Amino acid sequence: SQQGEEDPQALSIQEGENATMNCSYKTSINNLQWYRQNSGRGLVHLILIRSNEREKHSGRLRVTLDTSKKSSSLLITASRAADTASYFCATGAGGYQKVTFGIGTKLQVIP
Amino acid sequence: EAEVAQSPRYKITEKSQAVAFWCDPISGHATLYWYRQILGQGPELLVQFQDESVVDDSQLPKDRFSAERLKGVDSTLKIQPAELGDSAMYLCASSLRLGGEKLFFGSGTQLSVL
Repeated sequence: SQQGEEDPQALSIQEGENATMNCSYKTSINNLQWYRQNSGRGLVHLILIRSNEREKHSGRLRVTLDTSKKSSSLLITASRAADTASYFCATGAGGYQKVTFGIGTKLQVIP
Repeated sequence: EAEVAQSPRYKITEKSQAVAFWCDPISGHATLYWYRQILGQGPELLVQFQDESVVDDSQLPKDRFSAERLKGVDSTLKIQPAELGDSAMYLCASSLRLGGEKLFFGSGTQLSVL
């Protein structure tokens, strides 16, 4: 079962533009993570934000978390062609930190 | 940099045959996850181990799937018998400890059931 739902499901932008992806989830969480997946490969962790945090930055990435709305957003600034990939949000919840993924956003950055 | 090892990279099998996937997590990682990812969808958790114990297998189709991590290190996921709907990418991931830490993924095993 999928916990999160990303929006949009697909996004196409020009190189240099910013890309924003949103994630909504259904139940209480301990943390929320974002992962990137290049076609046919495993996932790579990008950033983690805990439930008591509201915003976090890492390089060109900015993540926000609104637990009252059960939503998060990932902003990639100054996008590059190499950012072309699928992006997934994942929630960590429960005593055993079950990590549940959303359906993903497919990002295409056009050079 | 240490990686999660998975084999085989690709597996083609016929319906009703048995298949097995192997995963070796990063050394020292106590938590191990098996996910199934159907093309165009997000990974779905099949089973989660803490050391050698299963802590979540609620989404594992136990009539045909089994998983073990006997010594709390490497792990095997088995499907018997395979069905057409099992065609997917099977991903293994590990994390240093239970709770709040990022997952490290292997490259996955792409299964095609004919």
